[in-house]
Amino acid sequence: GAGVSQTPSNKVTEKGKYVELRCDPISGHTALYWYRQSLGQGPEFLIYFQGTGAADDSGLPNDRFFAVRPEGSVSTLKIQRTERGDSAVYLCASSLIGGNSPLHFGNGTRLTVT
Amino acid sequence: AQSVTQPDIHITVSEGASLELRCNYSYGATPYLFWYVQSPGQGLQLLLKYFSGDTLVQGIKGFEAEFKRSQSSFNLRKPSVHWSDAAEYFCAVGAKMGSSNTGKLIFGQGTTLQVKP
Repeated sequence: GAGVSQTPSNKVTEKGKYVELRCDPISGHTALYWYRQSLGQGPEFLIYFQGTGAADDSGLPNDRFFAVRPEGSVSTLKIQRTERGDSAVYLCASSLIGGNSPLHFGNGTRLTVT
Repeated sequence: AQSVTQPDIHITVSEGASLELRCNYSYGATPYLFWYVQSPGQGLQLLLKYFSGDTLVQGIKGFEAEFKRSQSSFNLRKPSVHWSDAAEYFCAVGAKMGSSNTGKLIFGQGTTLQVKP
């Protein structure tokens, strides 16, 4: 079946611009996660949704970052006033019910801020 | 604070040789532990996980890992490496809420595995 889909796969933007990154989780998965992976590093947790609500947003680095999941399926990660330090691969994952269900990761969106 | 350390940033082994990738964690209680593999341009794929019970866990692609509480380790092993195993490997610990894994993972820095023919 279809896995976690992330679009776009690559995004290049200028410093100061606004970007949106989209994640389509596996159908029926209620838990959705965003992670950020900088070059040479492991993924870092950003935010976790259970259904429509953000259960844990403690990993968002500052108020320029925001994520929504209005209908409990597709999620959008929004970054305002992008900075060069935001350049990274943004990974989305989903799981069936959270908890002990395994995470299924998408291929990520590579964001480059010039 | 919870943390994961993968001491080896890069490892090279010959095809057919055995492999062990090291992982040490810091966590206040019995952790949930994971190993993921990431090939270039691909998403993370779960190799295996430990939640409780038998400390030797079997995973996909012939991998296994052993949880050693006394050493705070969860090393990944494979008896005979194939060229297709070349990839980046990440160890992770799962944050808990009560007795359940929240799915919020703390990853190590990763180990890049190169396989020589």
